[in-house]
Amino acid sequence: DGGITQSPKYLFRKEGQNVTLSCEQNLNHDAMYWYRQDPGQGLRLIYYSQIVNDFQKGDIAEGYSVSREKKESFPLTVTSAQKNPTAFYLCASSYTLYGYTFGSGTRLTVV
Amino acid sequence: AQSVTQPDIHITVSEGASLELRCNYSYGATPYLFWYVQSPGQGLQLLLKYFSGDTLVQGIKGFEAEFKRSQSSFNLRKPSVHWSDAAEYFCAVEPGGYQKVTFGIGTKLQVIP
Repeated sequence: DGGITQSPKYLFRKEGQNVTLSCEQNLNHDAMYWYRQDPGQGLRLIYYSQIVNDFQKGDIAEGYSVSREKKESFPLTVTSAQKNPTAFYLCASSYTLYGYTFGSGTRLTVV
Repeated sequence: AQSVTQPDIHITVSEGASLELRCNYSYGATPYLFWYVQSPGQGLQLLLKYFSGDTLVQGIKGFEAEFKRSQSSFNLRKPSVHWSDAAEYFCAVEPGGYQKVTFGIGTKLQVIP
């Protein structure tokens, strides 16, 4: 079945460490997105990519980086510059007019 | 820029009762409108969407939503709620095409026996 796979489901980061969250889709969607979800704040857009080798900053890109070397993959790196990274991270993909398909999320915790 | 308001953060309904979740948007033209549902610790699932045409749209799990241009609203409804409907519901707005989607802050639904 087609879908989006996010891994790992849980991730723990030490202070000053970079971590990478994986997002893979087999839906042949052009566009992919990363959102951060915090209680009471809804979903906030971190980065998005509409085609391979191109991506744009969202509303809260500081402290994050992405790459889009393949259509199927859109990994997110949470860098040490992100001072409050504890959150639930959601990856999504879309084909215009069909809405988003979301992965099951990665919960990142700073230890 | 578009915005989405979900005025109810928490709603509690009895099982079997009807449900209406409110969503208002702010945008110059008619945007694309969506409702998503999220179970705890999971991603979001698309319930239904409106692009144009019939203002009453049917979705999965027995949900429907009505677009009212005059009120800039896109309220979600279900005639009889089941315990499994307990989840968080998000309204979303997209201006059109590959443009940034704006999500509301969500409404958490609790279903009591």
